[in-house]
Amino acid sequence: DIRMTQSPSSLSASVGDRITITCRANQSIYNYLHWYQQKPGKAPKLLISAASSLQSGVPTRFSGSGSGAEYTFTISSLQPEDFASYYCQHTYSTPYCFGQGTKLQI
Amino acid sequence: EVQLVESGGGLVQPGGSLKLSCAGSGFTFSGSAMHWVRQASGKGLEWIGRIRSGVNNYATAYAASVKGRFTISRDDSKNMVYLHMDSLKSEDTAMYYCTRSLGLDNCGDWGQGTQVTVSS
Repeated sequence: DIRMTQSPSSLSASVGDRITITCRANQSIYNYLHWYQQKPGKAPKLLISAASSLQSGVPTRFSGSGSGAEYTFTISSLQPEDFASYYCQHTYSTPYCFGQGTKLQI
Repeated sequence: EVQLVESGGGLVQPGGSLKLSCAGSGFTFSGSAMHWVRQASGKGLEWIGRIRSGVNNYATAYAASVKGRFTISRDDSKNMVYLHMDSLKSEDTAMYYCTRSLGLDNCGDWGQGTQVTVSS
């Protein structure tokens, strides 16, 4: 099985900051990597698919990059509504594992 | 508007069974791969399994933690996907989400979730 290691598990930042989250797989996942945002009490929301494809309606301050086994998620300038939890997920081969999550706090 | 509405959650005793349902609308249900994802309170997301569309032979796949106990099925005539859960354990207690793939088997659209509690 492909395992995902997401870091950091938590992150303190301020409005206007640039932040980066990393996900590493234990083998290449060929850009089958997606990023989700989850706010408390809500269902997750897909932000980025295929490593770097921004979903419709998602602000351009969110971006993703990477290749092979290492991927990054960046928010270029944090807004108050961005304080949430973020998860990566690979879908290269089943089982499709999520990363452990990153809680982004003020 | 895409909608996914889960139902069927509740309290069940250890060793018991439960069937969750998810009704899809606002999209071509028969052409979509569907997933189930769960989240224990205060914990991260756990992919449970998925069922592909008919053109992909309704192929299913499961996480190791539920394989042999959980079964995913679908009824495209009713725009429904189901999660049948047997031999339930306390560690299966979680919010269960139904999701629709938008490509590459991602979880593009999500329902609001249904709570399953396994306790005596």
